[in-house]
Amino acid sequence: QQQVKQSPQSLIVQKGGISIINCAYENTAFDYFPWYQQFPGKGPALLIAIRPDVSEKKEGRFTISFNKSAKQFSLHIMDSQPGDSATYFCAASMHSGAGSYQLTFGKGTKLSVIP
Amino acid sequence: DSGVTQTPKHLITATGQRVTLRCSPRSGDLSVYWYQQSLDQGLQFLIHYYNGEERAKGNILERFSAQQFPDLHSELNLSSLELGDSALYFCASSVPDSILYNEQFFGPGTRLTVL
Repeated sequence: QQQVKQSPQSLIVQKGGISIINCAYENTAFDYFPWYQQFPGKGPALLIAIRPDVSEKKEGRFTISFNKSAKQFSLHIMDSQPGDSATYFCAASMHSGAGSYQLTFGKGTKLSVIP
Repeated sequence: DSGVTQTPKHLITATGQRVTLRCSPRSGDLSVYWYQQSLDQGLQFLIHYYNGEERAKGNILERFSAQQFPDLHSELNLSSLELGDSALYFCASSVPDSILYNEQFFGPGTRLTVL
């Protein structure tokens, strides 16, 4: 059972454009929603994260929009640059008891920003 | 650089063999999470250790085990290896904090190839 669904699988955006990646979750117990960026041969790097009591969070060119009632959240990358070309993963976590917050990941979106 | 180190970077071995993957968390972090990344399954949580104690298990095979040592480094042991175990293995470290919702920082990973 896939608890976090991510779309699209791949995305091509022109330099300067807006990249939008969407995720939907099923488990209402999730209470932390991070986005990770992964370059080939590297580990995932934490990009930005949001809690369900906030509808939007912005850090530089990256914005998370969160819709609790729809159980959806999205990543917007403004003024996309070729250096943003990477795979992006949404994730969700909840306290599973005994102080553990393992992440459940979406399948990833490969973003290509073309000049 | 996340501050999490993993060794070795690459590992090539044969079916039926046993390997050990090592992870050193960021200075001060007490938690180590292990994840497996494969093309078909994506990023999946395996197991979580906090200050030497196992806290949670995910989709971890019985052939796999882990431990965390007093110096907080962790090892993931994979035995009776099968072709399907070929994947990237990541560890992530964090300091559990109910306010920060447990940000996790990933290491560079170990690429395991089973021939």
